[in-house]
Amino acid sequence: KQEVTQIPAALSVPEGENLVLNCSFTDSAIYNLQWFRQDPGKGLTSLLLIQSSQREQTSGRLNASLDKSSGRSTLYIAASQPGDSATYLCAVIKGGQNFVFGPGTRLSVLP
Amino acid sequence: KAGVTQTPRYLIKTRGQQVTLSCSPISGHRSVSWYQQTPGQGLQFLFEYFSETQRNKGNFPGRFSGRQFSNSRSEMNVSTLELGDSALYLCASSDLGDTQYFGPGTRLTVL
Repeated sequence: KQEVTQIPAALSVPEGENLVLNCSFTDSAIYNLQWFRQDPGKGLTSLLLIQSSQREQTSGRLNASLDKSSGRSTLYIAASQPGDSATYLCAVIKGGQNFVFGPGTRLSVLP
Repeated sequence: KAGVTQTPRYLIKTRGQQVTLSCSPISGHRSVSWYQQTPGQGLQFLFEYFSETQRNKGNFPGRFSGRQFSNSRSEMNVSTLELGDSALYLCASSDLGDTQYFGPGTRLTVL
């Protein structure tokens, strides 16, 4: 059974810092991995999708990497801003199955 | 394209009642998945429909059911509501297993 964990559970940083969020999964036979952000009481916004054949994806200040063999992904946020404050979730999917989500990392960026 | 829409956005019911939630996917998307999000359990997969057929099902009791119509719109039904069913219910649409796009969710409160 696939299990997804995220470290740290919560993170508070001053504005302008670069930061890394971690995601680990137990079954490396994944189809793809997706990072989302969720604002309080809202739905999920897709940030980056990494397919199993890819090693990383970039969008603006965000960069996500994937190491299937070690069952890890990292989300790098450059020059953090208060607007980045949210919960960040990673999710993995195996072919023909459903997404399995991690518990999330709650990020606070202080002005 | 319009995003994923869910109705209603908020719902208050009492124990023992039943409820129906609706989800309209992004135009052209044939897959609709439903998730339950609670503070204690996080995001848990309920079921996925593809072209009107249930393709995957999570580990929820039979009180939770769903269906998908020919226009890909999906409904989720919960019968005999329990206090523990209070949650944010999210639906997501995708096309052939790629990026999942989430709706804003329906907040269900069971009194």
